Parts: sequence; C-alpha cells; structure tokens
Amino acid sequence: DAGITQSPRHKVTETGTPVTLRCHQTENHRYMYWYRQDPGHGLRLIHYSYGVKDTDKGEVSDGYSVSRSKTEDFLLTLESATSSQTSVYFCAISVAGVAYEQYFGPGTRLTVT
Amino acid sequence: SQKIEQNSEALNIQEGKTATLTCNYTNYSPAYLQWYRQDPGRGPVFLLLIRENEKEKRKERLKVTFDTTLKQSLFHITASQPADSATYLCALDPPGGSSNTGKLIFGQGTTLQVKP
Repeated sequence: DAGITQSPRHKVTETGTPVTLRCHQTENHRYMYWYRQDPGHGLRLIHYSYGVKDTDKGEVSDGYSVSRSKTEDFLLTLESATSSQTSVYFCAISVAGVAYEQYFGPGTRLTVT
Repeated sequence: SQKIEQNSEALNIQEGKTATLTCNYTNYSPAYLQWYRQDPGRGPVFLLLIRENEKEKRKERLKVTFDTTLKQSLFHITASQPADSATYLCALDPPGGSSNTGKLIFGQGTTLQVKP
C-alpha cells in the first residue's frame, strides 16, 4: 500500500459543471499521474507531475487541467465536464529507481449526465 | 507510434493448469516491461518487472519472459487458482525512456478466468 487515496470515490455531475478530483499520497513520492480507464481503451495518461508545480500533458489532456502545490496532493480539474469524460479515473505514484513501478489509488468513478 | 497488444479475448482455464498471457509491442525497444493485476473496481497492482537484458523472471507461481527479438513478453501463472481470476496488464517504458518522468505505456489487459 503506497498510501494513496482519492476523493471523491464516486461522483455524478451535470454537463458543463466544473469537477475537481483529488489524489493524496503520504510518502513524498516525486512522480504522480492521472489516468482514465475506459472499456476498449485501457489506461490512458491524462497529466503527470514530476514535482511541486511541475506538470506536463499526457496523451488525453484536452479538457483537463492539473495542479500540484504540495508534494502530497495532485488535483485533476475538469473545467466544464462533458459526457465523454464519464470514466474511471486513477491516480498513481511512481517509485523512482531503475524501472519506475507505479502504485495506484482506488479510483474515482465519474458520471457526467 | 508505439503500440502494445494484449489479447482482448478473455482466457478461460481450469484450476491447476498454467495460464499464459501475451504482450506484444511494436516500433521500439523498451528498457523494461512490467506486469500488473487489476481486480474489478480496483486500481492495478504491480506484480513483476523484467529488464531488456533478462530473459526470465520468477516470483512464486509467476513467471515472465521477455524476448526482445520477437518483441514479446509472456506471463505465466502455474498451478492456477480461482483467486488468480483478474485482468492482467502489461506496461512498458515509453520511447525515450522514463528517467525524467517515470511514465509507462499500458496495454489494454487480458482477463483471466480460472474455473474450479
């Protein structure tokens, strides 16, 4: 257990509303990631962070923004949620070393109606 | 662009048999390959890592092979049990490596069902 929590765990929201998902870790890992997982697409990287205030885009970043003001927290924001953003969102941390194993949070199931 | 392929069809086997899952990749040579297990409603869990200069890695009933010529990894579970039923994902470091980002590219996963 890498001490990763996500909140909320479930959320239903309406199209056009802003949504923020939170990822919290307790072990001061440098690298953090947000993925979405959809049937037929597997895990796709949205954004990642390599330090406080250091973030970069992943392969599916359109419509999402992130912030990391503290080592332990990585926030994912949907500025104006759309139905295509209905998904399961996973946060992960990477254990730095030779090969960067990743450890995942429990996930947030987001439904945009 | 790089591509990772795992069999999208579920693998059904009888308890006690060996399950073999395949991960194929194209267009580049990763430095390492990882396997994860994912149960329904939960996040993936890291299982094993194998580096490009290793042909085989074992952990208890798990065995991973890495053939850089065939661009393929095989994941074996020996003496399979119903509790091994899950989706198994392979992941590779992306082109250019992961040293500054820790990023991985994941396959879509193969679902294994072990029947008693």
